[in-house]
Amino acid sequence: AQKITQTQPGMFVQEKEAVTLDCTYDTSDPSYGLFWYKQPSSGEMIFLIYQGSYDQQNATEGRYSLNFQKARKSANLVISASQLGDSAMYFCAMSQISYNQGGKLIFGQGTELSVKP
Amino acid sequence: DAGVIQSPRHEVTEMGQEVTLRCKPISGHNSLFWYRQTMMRGLELLIYFNNNVPIDDSGMPEDRFSAKMPNASFSTLKIQPSEPRDSAVYFCASSRGRGNQPQHFGDGTRLSIL
Repeated sequence: AQKITQTQPGMFVQEKEAVTLDCTYDTSDPSYGLFWYKQPSSGEMIFLIYQGSYDQQNATEGRYSLNFQKARKSANLVISASQLGDSAMYFCAMSQISYNQGGKLIFGQGTELSVKP
Repeated sequence: DAGVIQSPRHEVTEMGQEVTLRCKPISGHNSLFWYRQTMMRGLELLIYFNNNVPIDDSGMPEDRFSAKMPNASFSTLKIQPSEPRDSAVYFCASSRGRGNQPQHFGDGTRLSIL
């Protein structure tokens, strides 16, 4: 069965510094996708970044990058130059990639990030 | 472009009442998902549809829950009869198929059953 583990319930980071949020996963499927979502206190779920299991390079989206280590089954999110608006809950999620069927997401328990001024 | 639209945003009702949550996915997306978020269980998938057909409903907690997708632009999640333990935030999300496309979430419905 697929499983996502986020071992950091809460993290603090100083404004303008970089922070890494940990995510490990378990799956026996060769083809899968890894996602990170941000959930601010207002409650909406915001997609941040995606990494495919066959992608050779780590994904990047602006200040977000995904440190993908396939052999270790980890997909850590790196946020560079933290901003106060980055304070939120962050969820790592995994999907199974199947032909012509939307992949359901399995979510981790989340990491609450607090950015200090 | 309009995102995923859910209604109502908040619902407070008494135990035993029927609750209907509604969702309009993003136009052109062929997969639709219903999730539930609670403090105890986190985010869990209830059911998902592909091209209006239910693919996996293994997350639906019990027979009191049902979901339909009569067309590509509308889905409902119904709870009948509702119980206090159904109190949660219910999210609808949509995506283009295959699982390598991001799911875009609605703002959620905060449901409270008294």
